Amino acid sequence: GAGVSQSPSNKVTEKGKDVELRCDPISGHTALYWYRQSLGQGLEFLIYFQGNSAPDKSGLPSDRFSAERTGGSVSTLTIQRTQQEDSAVYLCASSSGLAGKRFFGPGTRLTVL
Amino acid sequence: GESVGLHLPTLSVQEGDNSIINCAYSNSASDYFIWYKQESGKGPQFIIDIRSNMDKRQGQRVTVLLNKTVKHLSLQIAATQPGDSAVYFCAENISNTGKLIFGQGTTLQVKP
Repeated sequence: GAGVSQSPSNKVTEKGKDVELRCDPISGHTALYWYRQSLGQGLEFLIYFQGNSAPDKSGLPSDRFSAERTGGSVSTLTIQRTQQEDSAVYLCASSSGLAGKRFFGPGTRLTVL
Repeated sequence: GESVGLHLPTLSVQEGDNSIINCAYSNSASDYFIWYKQESGKGPQFIIDIRSNMDKRQGQRVTVLLNKTVKHLSLQIAATQPGDSAVYFCAENISNTGKLIFGQGTTLQVKP
């Protein structure tokens, strides 16, 4: 597709369950980024990938959060044992290089009951 | 977490007037700055960017000004239109990393 896509668009889960969020970057973009946005707030940086490598994981809120990227394309963000405070919109972006424009997807709205 | 600060949470302007949204950033090592527009229920949309070796950059109806001395960034929108109503975020890229740090956002309201 022409832009960044994310799935699912909405996810409702119960506290304690694991969830996987998917991001398909723009074709050819080597860099991929995950952000979290709570209601009415700014974007909180989580992690970025250059190719399949994540040089800096310090933005992940806890060890319940992990992310991987395979084949230099699709990325998944996994949240284990979800908590209510994990409820937010998770946004993915990609760029052709680390110093380039980031283009964002529409986000996945996660609600933890 | 890390963040870039914005001076005003809400800006209300009359249609046709010019808008100026300000932003203070904190990291002297930042080398690249972006302004994004976010409408309700959507992801941020790229507006304009500027690198640290520039002071000013113009786009269509938008201008970004960078003052590295005081670590200040501004977005000027000319002839503001109702479709410009949204939340605007500035973001700074930490040099040699992929970390693009966002501010809290300014809501722009355009009155017809």
